[in-house]
Amino acid sequence: DAGVIQSPRHEVTEMGQEVTLRCKPISGHNSLFWYRQTMMRGLELLIYFNNNVPIDDSGMPEDRFSAKMPNASFSTLKIQPSEPRDSAVYFCASSYRGQETQYFGPGTRLLVL
Amino acid sequence: AQSVTQLDSQVPVFEEAPVELRCNYSSSVSVYLFWYVQYPNQGLQLLLKYLSGSTLVKGINGFEAEFNKSQTSFHLRKPSVHISDTAEYFCAVSSGGGADGLTFGKGTHLIIQP
Repeated sequence: DAGVIQSPRHEVTEMGQEVTLRCKPISGHNSLFWYRQTMMRGLELLIYFNNNVPIDDSGMPEDRFSAKMPNASFSTLKIQPSEPRDSAVYFCASSYRGQETQYFGPGTRLLVL
Repeated sequence: AQSVTQLDSQVPVFEEAPVELRCNYSSSVSVYLFWYVQYPNQGLQLLLKYLSGSTLVKGINGFEAEFNKSQTSFHLRKPSVHISDTAEYFCAVSSGGGADGLTFGKGTHLIIQP
């Protein structure tokens, strides 16, 4: 099993640019989560999906952030326009509903200049 | 609402000594409790979890944790640490298990000294 796959692993962009982060969950998993990790705020849940449907997006910081899950094997997190305070490591995780373990991807390290 | 407090941001310990990393949680409903480990520049890996039943939970790499409902704690322990245990450790809580998001503590950096 390849585990949760995230791309890109590193992203450097300039303020105002659009950033798209991608995630492929583990095959067969039906819950997907996006987290953000910063030194100041630690690990925060941004949004999660069950069976491709967004369940809770209360952690999404503002309208500049959006997430989609068009099918069971792919999700995107988009930031438009990006700002320096968005610099963080973004993790995707997946789980099988009914089981309790979330499996994390390696993360995308985003730097907005 | 749920919250997790990890009382120590950094814990230095000598190799082969025992260690305890403290975690307290707050929740108005029944919870599931987790400990994850993060090695430098990597994602999070599950160490152990408490769902129900026995309050003493054993995990990977020789770690164990004890759920104490009256003290709302879930402290992580290892009787003898190794250099390879140097990492960031996160305690997390969820009310719905794998189907709901996790609320994490701020993490504890375990530093193993030779």
